[in-house]
Amino acid sequence: QAVVTQEPSLTVSPGGTVTLTCGASTGPVTSDHYPYWFQQKPGQAPRTLIYDTNNKQSWTPARFSGSLLGGKATLTLSGAQPEDEADYYCLLSYSGARVFGGGTKVTVL
Amino acid sequence: EVQLVESGGGLVKPGGSLRLSCVTSGFKFVHKWMGWVRQTPGKGLEWIGRIKSRSDGGTRDYAEAGRGRFTISRDDSRNTVYLQINSLRTDDTAIYYCNTDPRDWGQGTLVTVSS
Repeated sequence: QAVVTQEPSLTVSPGGTVTLTCGASTGPVTSDHYPYWFQQKPGQAPRTLIYDTNNKQSWTPARFSGSLLGGKATLTLSGAQPEDEADYYCLLSYSGARVFGGGTKVTVL
Repeated sequence: EVQLVESGGGLVKPGGSLRLSCVTSGFKFVHKWMGWVRQTPGKGLEWIGRIKSRSDGGTRDYAEAGRGRFTISRDDSRNTVYLQINSLRTDDTAIYYCNTDPRDWGQGTLVTVSS
């Protein structure tokens, strides 16, 4: 089974920009992995921010964006707000399965 | 409004079985692939598996770790998806979430496996 890798933690200043990455042990992440990004705050269920690489849910703030860069899926937060402090998980699809990354804890400080 | 509501969690002894339910509304359930994900307390998300829509064959896919102990099923007449877990172990203690594979999520149901 593939191993999906994320940074364990990142810190961003209020108003700053941070990029989270999602890599795969199987090789470059492509659009065929249909990357998803989820945000989870303490005590809450995850909610989808980005699906299929760069598509946003209706509730996804404009400051979040998804893309592919350097063989990884990326989630960029531009203009971080205090309420963006959360855990972020990526999810990749393989034929017959999906695999989560270990999550990135983003601190806005 | 899309809603997914899980139920069936609780305290179970090791070796026991449990069936979780996820009742949905607000979308065309019959057309959706449905999945289950779990989260161990304080840890990350783990994909359990999914079941495709009947029109896409109704087939099931499972993560390697749980294959054989987990069974996902669906009842399109009740807009409900199920997760059967057998031979429960203490490390199955987690919050179990259902989702629309995987875009919309429920709030989860807690399963505690302890003697």
